[in-house]
Amino acid sequence: QSALTQPASVSGSPGQSITMSCTGTSSDIGGISYVSWYQQHPDKAPKLMIYDVSNRPSGVSNRFSGSKSGNTASLTISGLQVEDEAIYFCSSYTTSSTYVFGTGTKVSV
Amino acid sequence: QVQLVQSGAEVKKPGASVKVSCKASTYPFTDYFVHWVRQAPGQGLEWMGWINPNGGDTKYAKKFQGRAAMTRDKAFRTVYMELRRLTSDDTAIYYCARVNPAASYGMDVWGQGTTVIVSS
Repeated sequence: QSALTQPASVSGSPGQSITMSCTGTSSDIGGISYVSWYQQHPDKAPKLMIYDVSNRPSGVSNRFSGSKSGNTASLTISGLQVEDEAIYFCSSYTTSSTYVFGTGTKVSV
Repeated sequence: QVQLVQSGAEVKKPGASVKVSCKASTYPFTDYFVHWVRQAPGQGLEWMGWINPNGGDTKYAKKFQGRAAMTRDKAFRTVYMELRRLTSDDTAIYYCARVNPAASYGMDVWGQGTTVIVSS
């Protein structure tokens, strides 16, 4: 199972909105609606930001939103804040009952 | 407080095995699958596999089939991940994380990570 493809970096100014993509195949993102997004700050464990394509866990800001179209999922951060600077990983459950992560996108604010 | 607490850092020689533990705090232990994810220095996340603490059934990424073994001890609310025939490429932080497939497929609680260094 190959890693999902994410852009290496995305940047924006405080208050702006940014969107990052996550591209897979019909065996993962395109075939099943179980995409998650994780935020990882340096030397910290990942944190779940979005699950099952577009759902936010309790406590996650509504500035984070997720969507999916075909084999590509997207994460949008609106009202960008300095503390949003981190690496974001997408992940998908697959039709083989396994998981696959994306390559990661570094967000700079 | 819901948490997963992992065992401490390990240093191993090439060819050896390592066994990392992940102890679950106060939540319905058997309701949540436990996944193992690793991260090599400066690299991304790599999914290794999951274990169902209820029945003990497992699923591994193809890359780790035959080399990784995930087990659990329900009485101690602990799951274990053993990786055999270590090489320097296995140097990484190993995380456990829980998923309740009846509710969602996101990993909502993560352990603090266990650093494994493989060096001669």
